[in-house]
Amino acid sequence: GAGVSQSPRYKVAKRGQDVALRCDPISGHVSLFWYQQALGQGPEFLTYFQNEAQLDKSGLPSDRFFAERPEGSVSTLKIQRTQQEDSAVYLCASSFWQGSTEAFFGQGTRLTVV
Amino acid sequence: RKEVEQDPGPFNVPEGATVAFNCTYSNSASQSFFWYRQDCRKEPKLLMSVYSSGNEDGRFTAQLNRASQYISLLIRDSKLSDSATYLCVVSLGGSQGNLIFGKGTKLSVKP
Repeated sequence: GAGVSQSPRYKVAKRGQDVALRCDPISGHVSLFWYQQALGQGPEFLTYFQNEAQLDKSGLPSDRFFAERPEGSVSTLKIQRTQQEDSAVYLCASSFWQGSTEAFFGQGTRLTVV
Repeated sequence: RKEVEQDPGPFNVPEGATVAFNCTYSNSASQSFFWYRQDCRKEPKLLMSVYSSGNEDGRFTAQLNRASQYISLLIRDSKLSDSATYLCVVSLGGSQGNLIFGKGTKLSVKP
């Protein structure tokens, strides 16, 4: 498809387990964003990339969170030693370039840590 | 103080009503402004960009007041299908172009 694709759609992890969430942006989109959305809240910024460069990771809540986009297309958000408070929907978005154009979101990965 | 603040809602209105959402942002350097719509358990989707001169798209009108750091969205003749959460979004642009979202305002349009 032509949209942003995220996998898996749902992930249940035991506390302490490492997880990896994948995002396939729209082809040709330079900017890629990761957001965390808790129930009843707006999306909270985690990090973003321009091509393969991670320009801002100020939103990553701890050093257990790590994101990469090594070839400037697919991105992976990794969470190490998951904790219950990590339970949320993780949204990926891409845009042709940053800031002033429309960002297209994937359907998200719903992570539940038990 | 959150960078982007919105009316908490929920707004429960009858079909055909006019409803207005307000939003304020804290960073005066913000350059780009948007309203996104998010349906229940779905991803956010762009509803409209917001320009300094104000802009209209059918039943939807968005306005920006840079001096007051205030953004609004007006929905006229509301439809059942307008029921969703409306997210106010700002961006600093340039190398700080990440989108900052408000918490969203939930709208429920009743028959």
